[in-house]
Amino acid sequence: GAVVSQHPSWVICKSGTSVKIECRSLDFQATTMFWYRQFPKQSLMLMATSNEGSKATYEQGVEKDKFLINHASLTLSTLTVTSAHPEDSSFYICSARRKYGYTFGSGTRLTVV
Amino acid sequence: SQQGEEDPQALSIQEGENATMNCSYKTSINNLQWYRQNSGRGLVHLILIRSNEREKHSGRLRVTLDTSKKSSSLLITASRAADTASYFCATDPTGGGNKLTFGTGTQLKVEL
Repeated sequence: GAVVSQHPSWVICKSGTSVKIECRSLDFQATTMFWYRQFPKQSLMLMATSNEGSKATYEQGVEKDKFLINHASLTLSTLTVTSAHPEDSSFYICSARRKYGYTFGSGTRLTVV
Repeated sequence: SQQGEEDPQALSIQEGENATMNCSYKTSINNLQWYRQNSGRGLVHLILIRSNEREKHSGRLRVTLDTSKKSSSLLITASRAADTASYFCATDPTGGGNKLTFGTGTQLKVEL
């Protein structure tokens, strides 16, 4: 079945540093990927839609300069959290849309100290 | 934006019992999907029901959809301890650019 590989699964970084999260579609081409954020015991909130070869579309309230998204190929989308702060600590999940549904990555637990 | 609401927020049952979770949404949809999430993990797709379908089955799962009431339910029959997880409904809104909108989720605990 379709697999989206997300790395790293967890990361701890110092305040002020940047962190890159990768999502790769392993056996299919993903022209569109979605990035979500999830706080503990809460639902997934869509941050942005990533389209291969074009700029990402950000949801209202999401800082595009802080959450840089790059979708340079049909199999890879990256989310970079720039100048991370403790309030950016969260669970980030990517998703790729396929013909008959969506496949999610396993998520990245980001902790900023 | 978050448009779906689920109830109950938390549900605790004994193994072997049935678990029912409900989801309400606000806009027209192409389809509604149910996902499962184990603690701190990614989402697993369970079942998709299209807007022109009323009921769908998959193994021990039964999903209903009432577009007139903008609601859906997920029934897990003969629950097992391994079913313990959070369950989310997600809607694919009409004209929404294929962006899924997730419900608030139900935390299910199945005790031995």
